[in-house]
Amino acid sequence: NAGVMQNPRHLVRRRGQEARLRCSPMKGHSHVYWYRQLPEEGLKFMVYLQKENIIDESGMPKERFSAEFPKEGPSILRIQQVVRGDSAAYFCASSQEDSLLTEAFFGQGTRLTVV
Amino acid sequence: KQEVTQIPAALSVPEGENLVLNCSFTDSAIYNLQWFRQDPGKGLTSLLLIQSSQREQTSGRLNASLDKSSGRSTLYIAASQPGDSATYLCAVLRASGSRLTFGEGTQLTVNP
Repeated sequence: NAGVMQNPRHLVRRRGQEARLRCSPMKGHSHVYWYRQLPEEGLKFMVYLQKENIIDESGMPKERFSAEFPKEGPSILRIQQVVRGDSAAYFCASSQEDSLLTEAFFGQGTRLTVV
Repeated sequence: KQEVTQIPAALSVPEGENLVLNCSFTDSAIYNLQWFRQDPGKGLTSLLLIQSSQREQTSGRLNASLDKSSGRSTLYIAASQPGDSATYLCAVLRASGSRLTFGEGTQLTVNP
């Protein structure tokens, strides 16, 4: 049973380009969470999704950021028109059906560098 | 708003020492608390999960305790080894939400 898979592991984008980060949850997990870790800071919640639904996006910046978790395929975190301040490690976590009582498993992260 | 604080921010100990990492949270209405390990440039590895109804969990040389009423958790590492060097993060899952709130972490260095 593979763990949470994120790709790419490293992503370099020029200012103004789009960044797409992908996350495949663990087998049997239907809940996906995205977190961001800025340099020298802790992890901050961004968004919580279930299949085809955004449950809680209160941690997402109001502009340029969007997330989806389609019926088929991985969850995608999209950042449009990236700026230097978007440079960070983006982590995805997944959990089973009853997300409130089960353990969250994290992927290895995608490290985005905006140049 | 839930706030999680970890003390100390950094800790350096000689190999073989027993040590305690501290985590405190402001809102005691939690479902669970998790301790994670993060190696430089890597993801998070879950170490221990304590449900709100539990007082402690043990795994190998690790023991985590939870005092929900006082908003505190400790991670005890016995007989530390250089391979334990990493950043240790605690995170709480609030009863009213679906997100984990993380502390800033304790950076541990175990010297041979």
